[in-house]
Amino acid sequence: AQKITQTQPGMFVQEKEAVTLDCTYDTSDPSYGLFWYKQPSSGEMIFLIYQGSYDQQNATEGRYSLNFQKARKSANLVISASQLGDSAMYFCAMREGYSGGSNYKLTFGKGTLLTVNP
Amino acid sequence: GAGVSQTPSNKVTEKGKYVELRCDPISGHTALYWYRQSLGQGPEFLIYFQGTGAADDSGLPNDRFFAVRPEGSVSTLKIQRTERGDSAVYLCASSSGTGYEQYFGPGTRLTVT
Repeated sequence: AQKITQTQPGMFVQEKEAVTLDCTYDTSDPSYGLFWYKQPSSGEMIFLIYQGSYDQQNATEGRYSLNFQKARKSANLVISASQLGDSAMYFCAMREGYSGGSNYKLTFGKGTLLTVNP
Repeated sequence: GAGVSQTPSNKVTEKGKYVELRCDPISGHTALYWYRQSLGQGPEFLIYFQGTGAADDSGLPNDRFFAVRPEGSVSTLKIQRTERGDSAVYLCASSSGTGYEQYFGPGTRLTVT
């Protein structure tokens, strides 16, 4: 079974509107972290937002918020007030476990291509 | 400050040749990761270094792949007897070791002809 599932290969949104990008995950580990990264056409991976499994509140970073529903194992990214520069691939990723060390290797989904229309 | 850098940005090689890909992490970052991103896919973990040692190499696909980080800073990913299936973007990321955020480099696009 895939550990990270992004079911939307592509999404379209009008400029200034909000959009939700879906992500579901699969883990039996009680300690994990969920990440969203943005990858523009230039190729660099840009960190957007992080949610820890024990965090009580949903994470927010500016126009980005993470809708974390632990029981449903979903971690959807909400982008408010979309801008043309938001057009990019978006990846959901997970870090499992806490060994007391610092190995935070990530498992990524296949991504969602977001296009913001003017 | 300077981010993660990777060289070369593009590498074209013939099947069967040996290649080296270099990653220069953010200064002071003890953790270093290599990922491989095939076309249309998300990055896949290859190997993790903590300091000089490879603490987790479970993602290396086979023994043609090897990576080193001799002084705990720059890392080199080495691929022997390259195959066309090795064509991908190879991404390097570093982190402070105490934080969860990984900072990615721009990647090396490897094309095996």
